[in-house]
Amino acid sequence: QSVLTQPPSASGTPGQRVIVSCSGNSSNIGSNFLYWYQQFPGTAPKLLIYRNNERPSGVPDRFSGSKAGSSASLAISGLRSEDEADYYCATWDDSLSGQVFGGGTKLTVL
Amino acid sequence: QAQLAQSGAEMKKPGSSVRVSCKHTGGTFSTYAISWVRQAPGQGLEWMGGIIVPLGPANYAQKFQGRITMTAEESTNTVFMALSTLTYEDTAVYYCARGQWELPSLSDGFDIWGQGTTVTVSS
Repeated sequence: QSVLTQPPSASGTPGQRVIVSCSGNSSNIGSNFLYWYQQFPGTAPKLLIYRNNERPSGVPDRFSGSKAGSSASLAISGLRSEDEADYYCATWDDSLSGQVFGGGTKLTVL
Repeated sequence: QAQLAQSGAEMKKPGSSVRVSCKHTGGTFSTYAISWVRQAPGQGLEWMGGIIVPLGPANYAQKFQGRITMTAEESTNTVFMALSTLTYEDTAVYYCARGQWELPSLSDGFDIWGQGTTVTVSS
């Protein structure tokens, strides 16, 4: 059971906009920055969004993050087949004094 | 271009220990945070703990307290993660990951990841 809650799966067709949610509580998302990672099978995760809504260099602006209270979301617009991957949210948890991850969302591009 | 290079795959018996290394190269940060994140087969990501190099000490997730040790060898920019009393549930890919800021905190996002080390616990 992960500390942060994500839907196990999401899907969309090419060109669509898909949103992946991530919920927590006041000791984690509610009081710390939220990060999103993208992971393809057999490879290490890649930082996709940092500090709630910032994109590292090289990440397309089709990816955007937002946070409100103890919940966050990752939006992917103009969905492409190469976006098919697992997506994880993560943040620091003040109560646990450690980083916590969501269980991951497997995105399928139909 | 900063990189993290991890040691090779390990096969261990239940009850034994494993030590995985993570060498930081090409970085310009004088201080940096390294965390260890593991992923069991078909499962999600799990933070195990982290250390700020060269300041230390390490901070461990509650789940691993008592059987995990993270150390840093400043001269070689290498961080080590040792996990003892292994069980079948420790079978996983173990990643080291670097915090993204030069004034590091263990709460930072991870911008550089190692390639992963597969640890298999089997009798």
